Amino acid sequence: GAVVSQHPSRVICKSGTSVKIECRSLDFQATTMFWYRQFPKQSLMLMATSNEGSKATYEQGVEKDKFLINHASLTLSTLTVTSAHPEDSSFYICSASDLQGFSGNTIYFGEGSWLTVV
Amino acid sequence: KQEVTQIPAALSVPEGENLVLNCSFTDSAIYNLQWFRQDPGKGLTSLLLIQSSQREQTSGRLNASLDKSSGRSTLYIAASQPGDSATYLCAVSTSGTYKYIFGTGTRLKVLA
Repeated sequence: GAVVSQHPSRVICKSGTSVKIECRSLDFQATTMFWYRQFPKQSLMLMATSNEGSKATYEQGVEKDKFLINHASLTLSTLTVTSAHPEDSSFYICSASDLQGFSGNTIYFGEGSWLTVV
Repeated sequence: KQEVTQIPAALSVPEGENLVLNCSFTDSAIYNLQWFRQDPGKGLTSLLLIQSSQREQTSGRLNASLDKSSGRSTLYIAASQPGDSATYLCAVSTSGTYKYIFGTGTRLKVLA
């Protein structure tokens, strides 16, 4: 079946630095990808919708200048956490679809990335 | 605004029991509903997907039902095993998009 791969699975970075997380669709073209964030013992919250070739759409309360999303190709979306702070430590996960004829069953989630900012 | 709630928040049962996890949502205009499993420190595993036009889906020991009009879904796990211990999340998508609103999760522990 279709696979979405995230990299890195775990990353530790120093406060003030930036870190990039990649989300790749391995065997299909993903016109749309979604980025979610999960704080400890909380549910996943949608951060933004990443559209290939255009600007991402951010959910209310998510700082677009802090969480830079780039969807430059049909198989890759990246999330860059800029000037990371300890409160950005979280589990970030992406999902992807081809959105060609929405059928509700072609959405795939990545494995997620654990970010720790020290 | 869609809100998804799961009850109970945590559940501990002895091995072999049949159990039911509940999910409720405030806006019945959903496109589909999915149940996921999340193991500690891991990503999501999709368990069952129910389209809005469907009433239930089954996979092995798992059965998920959907009552869209009342805004409810249940996940039934038969003959629970210690390996079923995980957090179970339900999520709904609306308006023909792949945006999902996730529930708060139920942390399940099955005791050997």
